[in-house]
Amino acid sequence: GAGVSQSPRYKVAKRGQDVALRCDPISGHVSLFWYQQALGQGPEFLTYFQNEAQLDKSGLPSDRFFAERPEGSVSTLKIQRTQKEDSAVYLCASSSKQGPTGELFFGEGSRLTVL
Amino acid sequence: AQTVTQSQPEMSVQEAETVTLSCTYDTSESDYYLFWYKQPPSRQMILVIRQEAYKQQNATENRFSVNFQKAAKSFSLKISDSQLGDAAMYFCAYRSGGDYKLSFGAGTTVTVRA
Repeated sequence: GAGVSQSPRYKVAKRGQDVALRCDPISGHVSLFWYQQALGQGPEFLTYFQNEAQLDKSGLPSDRFFAERPEGSVSTLKIQRTQKEDSAVYLCASSSKQGPTGELFFGEGSRLTVL
Repeated sequence: AQTVTQSQPEMSVQEAETVTLSCTYDTSESDYYLFWYKQPPSRQMILVIRQEAYKQQNATENRFSVNFQKAAKSFSLKISDSQLGDAAMYFCAYRSGGDYKLSFGAGTTVTVRA
């Protein structure tokens, strides 16, 4: 695709519900990142994929957060039993290069509001 | 862990004027990269400018330039000839040379007055 696509753009969930956020990276990009951006703050790293391998999940705040990229393309970030503190914008970014090199291209994010 | 500090929550600039955004960072490493990202209301982060720590020359991209002071661990962004389209939130970010994770500051909201 022309850019990184994320869906849904907006999601409202009741506390305790499960949510799934989708990221469609730029075609052929091997690296994929998820970041969490709380209101009025800078993004914080959640997890990193190189192709289908999740190489780093150190930023996931709890075991309620789970990310996958089974075919090395589309990725899904799943949040189980959502809590109010999960309310944030979830940004996905991809890069054509492995590891630290290469420019990151960000999507427009998914804004999650937990009531 | 590296920390990035942006001490100006908001800045306002008259169209065609110049504005400077400040950023300081804390690191013990010698190999690292610094970035300025722009985030408009659409929320999509756009890379504005990038600086490699080993380069002494300040990076420039059209109307955007940085003042990189390595000893002071300071990395300010100057926007010259400000345009209405420059209005956005600007984030300073740090990445260690061998790492892939970005550490962001809290951001500065730039308003451009017509």
